[in-house]
Amino acid sequence: GAVVSQHPSWVICKSGTSVKIECRSLDFQATTMFWYRQFPKQSLMLMATSNEGSKATYEQGVEKDKFLINHASLTLSTLTVTSAHPEDSSFYICSAKIAGPRRTEAFFGQGTRLTVV
Amino acid sequence: AQTVTQSQPEMSVQEAETVTLSCTYDTSESDYYLFWYKQPPSRQMILVIRQEAYKQQNATENRFSVNFQKAAKSFSLKISDSQLGDAAMYFCARRTGNQFYFGTGTSLTVIP
Repeated sequence: GAVVSQHPSWVICKSGTSVKIECRSLDFQATTMFWYRQFPKQSLMLMATSNEGSKATYEQGVEKDKFLINHASLTLSTLTVTSAHPEDSSFYICSAKIAGPRRTEAFFGQGTRLTVV
Repeated sequence: AQTVTQSQPEMSVQEAETVTLSCTYDTSESDYYLFWYKQPPSRQMILVIRQEAYKQQNATENRFSVNFQKAAKSFSLKISDSQLGDAAMYFCARRTGNQFYFGTGTSLTVIP
């Protein structure tokens, strides 16, 4: 149980276009989902925390208008990179926390490698 | 500061031997959770082990165990009988409320 599916696994897009990444919790309800960015051989950098039905909370320095996050249901959150540029190329990872006080860990999607050309 | 520090960027261990990965953290909270995650070359993050701060007993999961020193804010991971499949990046993480804080990672190499 506790599977998080992230799609697509990799995507190449042209500069100036937008890309949507989906994060789904397959067998549990996730009231909270997290979006991270990871540079090669570095740690995860939290971009934003999204709660179902409310606006995402963005970390300092993350552009809200560029990285649009929607958490419309308890099993789906999406990250849209708008007007992508080569510097947005990175590995993006989502994670989800199971609703309820007894479950403490977060479960991760398999990540999306975005390349902007 | 809510930091998690992993002071060993790289570690190596001989197959079948034991290795310990270090982690320290800083928090003013009394209620929190600690985790070790593994990220193999596939880059899928996998939970290795977790520890509740209110529990004094160290968590164990098969070949993986932790040494949790709450007063020292230390949370090291011991891998016994290392296997080739243990080669990966290991991230220490702390959770307080809804916030997860990750260390910078330790790259573990297992030598056949």
